[in-house]
Amino acid sequence: DAKTTQPPSMDCAEGRAANLPCNHSTISGNEYVYWYRQIHSQGPQYIIHGLKNNETNEMASLIITEDRKSSTLILPHATLRDTAVYYCIVRVAFNTGNQFYFGTGTSLTVIP
Amino acid sequence: DAGVIQSPRHEVTEMGQEVTLRCKPISGHDYLFWYRQTMMRGLELLIYFNNNVPIDDSGMPEDRFSAKMPNASFSTLKIQPSEPRDSAVYFCASTKAGETQYFGPGTRLLVL
Repeated sequence: DAKTTQPPSMDCAEGRAANLPCNHSTISGNEYVYWYRQIHSQGPQYIIHGLKNNETNEMASLIITEDRKSSTLILPHATLRDTAVYYCIVRVAFNTGNQFYFGTGTSLTVIP
Repeated sequence: DAGVIQSPRHEVTEMGQEVTLRCKPISGHDYLFWYRQTMMRGLELLIYFNNNVPIDDSGMPEDRFSAKMPNASFSTLKIQPSEPRDSAVYFCASTKAGETQYFGPGTRLLVL
């Protein structure tokens, strides 16, 4: 159960903002939303995460809707090196620890 | 920090042979995860450890797969005997207190 739904692919012009949507309608109150990306079979790379509030770091911004049923990852100025598969993940807490449920991701292609 | 280290980076073997994949987590991390990634099934969690103890191995495909963590700085994933359908990229990830997971570069396994 991936717990998230993402479009399979998107294109973005170089220098423009890339907005990657994610639906997580069954998310529970204490479950975090994480974003990772994977560049050409390298290990997944952490980007950002959040619970309720919008978050920003040096890589991206994360906008979470008030009902927490969806979120958007924003890459403010996409470059060719941002071409990758982007995974939206829900971190589920169990008594024995947290688990990350990876879906199929969005393949983002940044076009020159 | 060097990040999560995996070895070998590439492995080619023949069906029936034993394969051992190795992982060194980030120092101070208390959780370690093994994932498998294929085109057909995406990224799957195989097993994870907390403080060197296996917590959930429900993702291990069958008895041919086994994983150990003899100490906080080392883990192995063994396949014996290997089969062509085990061909995949195997990732190790670690985290402190179940927070953000950091992935290694992966081991690309090809079983002929």
